[in-house]
Amino acid sequence: QQQVKQSPQSLIVQKGGISIINCAYENTAFDYFPWYQQFPGKGPALLIAIRPDVSEKKEGRFTISFNKSAKQFSLHIMDSQPGDSATYFCAASEGGSYIPTFGRGTSLIVHP
Amino acid sequence: AAGVIQSPRHLIKEKRETATLKCYPIPRHDTVYWYQQGPGQDPQFLISFYEKMQSDKGSIPDRFSAQQFSDYHSELNMSSLELGDSALYFCASSLASGAGANVLTFGAGSRLTVL
Repeated sequence: QQQVKQSPQSLIVQKGGISIINCAYENTAFDYFPWYQQFPGKGPALLIAIRPDVSEKKEGRFTISFNKSAKQFSLHIMDSQPGDSATYFCAASEGGSYIPTFGRGTSLIVHP
Repeated sequence: AAGVIQSPRHLIKEKRETATLKCYPIPRHDTVYWYQQGPGQDPQFLISFYEKMQSDKGSIPDRFSAQQFSDYHSELNMSSLELGDSALYFCASSLASGAGANVLTFGAGSRLTVL
């Protein structure tokens, strides 16, 4: 059973548009929610992360929105660029282990 | 800055053969993690080591074993290879404490193909 559910599986956005990827979880013990960006042939790279004590975190064009009561969190990429084309994974981990459990991933394509 | 180094980058084996993957963590990182990523799949956690001791165990098959050595590098040994073992194997490392603790840095992966 997938502990972290991610949608959509794929996303196509025009340059300058907003990319939105959603994730949901069930395990209330999760307390760290990172997003990873993966380019073909490369390992996942940490993009941005949030803890449940805040509802939003912004780093440049990337924003995480977190809804603790709904057990949902999302990644927003503003002003999407072709260089953002990659697979994005949401993840979650429990305090003490920090071992991320990944979602299924979203393949993002940003058209020029 | 030094990253996580994995070798070999590509490996082709026959069924029932044995394979060994190596991982060299970022200097001073004391924790190593192994993940398996099948085609189009999310990375699945296999096993982790902290200070040369196994710290957590995920969905690692009994045919696989791993260890972390005194220089903190780690090796993943896979025996009786099956076609389904074909995947990208990622190693990640982190610090267990201090600034940036538990932020995983992944290597580029080792692609294993079993024929």
